[in-house]
Amino acid sequence: NAGVTQTPKFQVLKTGQSMTLQCAQDMNHNSMYWYRQDPGMGLRLIYYSASEGTTDKGEVPNGYNVSRLNKREFSLRLESAAPSQTSVYFCASRYRGAGANVLTFGAGSRLTVL
Amino acid sequence: ELKVEQNPLFLSMQEGKNYTIYCNYSTTSDRLYWYRQDPGKSLESLFVLLSNGAVKQEGRLMASLDTKARLSTLHITAAVHDLSATYFCAVDVSYYGGSQGNLIFGKGTKLSVKP
Repeated sequence: NAGVTQTPKFQVLKTGQSMTLQCAQDMNHNSMYWYRQDPGMGLRLIYYSASEGTTDKGEVPNGYNVSRLNKREFSLRLESAAPSQTSVYFCASRYRGAGANVLTFGAGSRLTVL
Repeated sequence: ELKVEQNPLFLSMQEGKNYTIYCNYSTTSDRLYWYRQDPGKSLESLFVLLSNGAVKQEGRLMASLDTKARLSTLHITAAVHDLSATYFCAVDVSYYGGSQGNLIFGKGTKLSVKP
């Protein structure tokens, strides 16, 4: 009963380095999301994928790219990390359709950019 | 601009007291969610409110939704220490144009319940 799995859980980068955060869900959800959480800012949407094959920008997409690899997997890439990208990143997924459409979150990935 | 405003942002309560957290939003929606987050942990779904007048209760927490006023409340009854956490409301704007599939979160209310 894995739900939403994110890797890595912790990462330290130097300014200018690149990395990819991986996310996979096993609940057959059609929509997947990447949020970042910063103190006092709540959760802000970076990118989302409403369904397999589509991706869209959220509130704070600059400096990030995403790939919806298949229905299960949605990755977030930082091409050239900056200290402003130090944050906790959450992947989430849900089934969008009739019903509650509740978002299920992963455990989070804590990223520090020096 | 779509806004979801929670208040208060910080709440220190004594055990046994009652209090209400408010979530105001600026766009049309009839789907609202409440989440709980413990320090260093992920977000856990508490309530889903799907229509005007919806009320959900779980233990000492009760959530309600007034879509006409664009207001949801999370009421805490006889608080206990175990309720200490950060509570988020989130408004679903998926079905009203703009960003399809999007939930917009409030900044969260950090609740501390003291003996």
